[in-house]
Amino acid sequence: GNSVTQMEGPVTLSEEAFLTINCTYTATGYPSLFWYVQYPGEGLQLLLKATKADDKGSNKGFEATYRKETTSFHLEKGSVQVSDSAVYFCANGGFKTIFGAGTRLFVKA
Amino acid sequence: GAGVSQTPSNKVTEKGKYVELRCDPISGHTALYWYRQSLGQGPEFLIYFQGTGAADDSGLPNDRFFAVRPEGSVSTLKIQRTERGDSAVYLCASSFAGEGPGELFFGEGSRLTVL
Repeated sequence: GNSVTQMEGPVTLSEEAFLTINCTYTATGYPSLFWYVQYPGEGLQLLLKATKADDKGSNKGFEATYRKETTSFHLEKGSVQVSDSAVYFCANGGFKTIFGAGTRLFVKA
Repeated sequence: GAGVSQTPSNKVTEKGKYVELRCDPISGHTALYWYRQSLGQGPEFLIYFQGTGAADDSGLPNDRFFAVRPEGSVSTLKIQRTERGDSAVYLCASSFAGEGPGELFFGEGSRLTVL
């Protein structure tokens, strides 16, 4: 079946630091892949997605590339801000979308 | 509002009681999902509806859990004989269907505490 493994948190960075949150997946077929974000006190919302191999999803300065050869979908941002502090979830798509355990990011001013 | 609405936002109940959680999806979304999120974990799939029917209920943990969507819009998750281990945030999401795997739109969740 489909699954997702993402790096454990929390991750603590200073403002303007580079961010990587690792995510690997297992799947039958070629699912869409997603990153969702949960800001403090808010519901889960889609951050970005990629629907096929080699696609790059991007939004709000975040990027992730669908790598079939390494079964990965790592999230990156070149310069984080305090407002990026949140919990990030990698997800393996389909009508039965499967989520990773989440990675909490703290960004210090 | 135009988003997914869940009620109640908080529910405290005693062990053994019956609980209903309601989800009102985005208008026009035919697919509806229930997830359960425990502290420090990601959302765990429970059940998915396409229209009025449950297309996949493989995530329901046992027969104390049941969900309905009688008119293809509002859904109710029902939990009988609640146990302390049922304490979690229950999330509802909706999406367009028929366009392949797509974005899920989540509500803010119903936090269930079983004492």
